[in-house]
Amino acid sequence: GAVVSQHPSRVICKSGTSVKIECRSLDFQATTMFWYRQFPKKSLMLMATSNEGSKATYEQGVEKDKFLINHASLTLSTLTVTSAHPEDSSFYICSASPSGRYEQFFGPGTRLTVL
Amino acid sequence: ILNVEQSPQSLHVQEGDSTNFTCSFPSSNFYALHWYRWETAKSPEALFVMTLNGDEKKKGRISATLNTKEGYSYLYIKGSQPEDSATYLCAFGTQAGTVLIFGKGTTLSVSS
Repeated sequence: GAVVSQHPSRVICKSGTSVKIECRSLDFQATTMFWYRQFPKKSLMLMATSNEGSKATYEQGVEKDKFLINHASLTLSTLTVTSAHPEDSSFYICSASPSGRYEQFFGPGTRLTVL
Repeated sequence: ILNVEQSPQSLHVQEGDSTNFTCSFPSSNFYALHWYRWETAKSPEALFVMTLNGDEKKKGRISATLNTKEGYSYLYIKGSQPEDSATYLCAFGTQAGTVLIFGKGTTLSVSS
């Protein structure tokens, strides 16, 4: 149990386009999902906390108009990188917490490359 | 700024060796300490969640201890196997909720 999927696993796009990444909890409901970004040789950095049915809470320094997060259901959160630029190239990974539990279960991540 | 430090950054051991890593975290506002194993091209896998000072948890050949007063946790692997090769992440949860702050990880390589 507690499987999280993420799609796509890899995406290459042109500068200026938008990219949507989906995060799904497959066998549990997640009131809260988290979006992280990993820079080379760095920790996973929390970008935002996504709550079902409400606006996401963004960490300091993360542009909410750049990284649009939608958590429309208890099993799906999406991250849209708008008007992507090469500096947005990174590894993005989501996690989900089953209601009432401490653990976070991670998706396999999405490698975004912006040309 | 809350900071989680892991050491060593990487290590290489021979099959059968036992090893351990350290995770240091702020001793104030402690909520939970998580350990994850992250193999290449896979999702990080939750190993342990520890919440109480003195907690010890075990899963097969892997175990972990927690000292919340001094702000550290050890992860031990007994009799390392090549399949233990992965990056081991620890993450600190504050009382603010389930937001986790991650260390950079310790990358373990086990050769046969």
